[in-house]
Amino acid sequence: TQLLEQSPQFLSIQEGENLTVYCNSSSVFSSLQWYRQEPGEGPVLLVTVVTGGEVKKLKRLTFQFGDARKDSSLHITAAQPGDTGLYLCAGVDGSSNTGKLIFGQGTTLQVKP
Amino acid sequence: DTGVSQNPRHKITKRGQNVTFRCDPISEHNRLYWYRQTLGQGPEFLTYFQNEAQLEKSRLLSDRFSAERPKGSFSTLEIQRTEQGDSAMYLCASSPREWGSGNTIYFGEGSWLTVV
Repeated sequence: TQLLEQSPQFLSIQEGENLTVYCNSSSVFSSLQWYRQEPGEGPVLLVTVVTGGEVKKLKRLTFQFGDARKDSSLHITAAQPGDTGLYLCAGVDGSSNTGKLIFGQGTTLQVKP
Repeated sequence: DTGVSQNPRHKITKRGQNVTFRCDPISEHNRLYWYRQTLGQGPEFLTYFQNEAQLEKSRLLSDRFSAERPKGSFSTLEIQRTEQGDSAMYLCASSPREWGSGNTIYFGEGSWLTVV
């Protein structure tokens, strides 16, 4: 069974600080996706990483896919209160041909002004 | 393109009642998924449709749960004899692509169920 472990599960920081969220697995994923979810809303896709070692930047967010395609990280520079939310990593379940996603348990980020 | 639409957005029901949620996927998306998410956790897969065919069901989908996609467009998820443990957000998602080709899944805003 493929599992994704996210850490930390909860993060409370001050505006302007940097942070990193980790997503780890013992299994290889063909790609990993990062989502952000606000309370009461559905997840919104931020990025998909496909190639081992790949780094993608989205403004102040930097996403990295591990060389072995088993782990990924999300780094936020100079966090702002608008970054508050639940961050989810997800990978396609390789045991199924449906394209269904396996999600990590999420990291709840609170950025205080 | 109006995105994946779900309704109702919120439902409060008494234990033992039946509830039904509807999902309208993005037009021409032939792949449709239902997930369940509890507070502060990641979504868990419930079931998958390709067009009108239900091709996979999670063991989380007990006999009280049934999903349909009769014409390969909108889908419904019905929960019979609701229990307090069914309280969660039910997410629908759709995707246009064949599996293995950089699958991108688009989520709806979810339907919150509270069983009292």
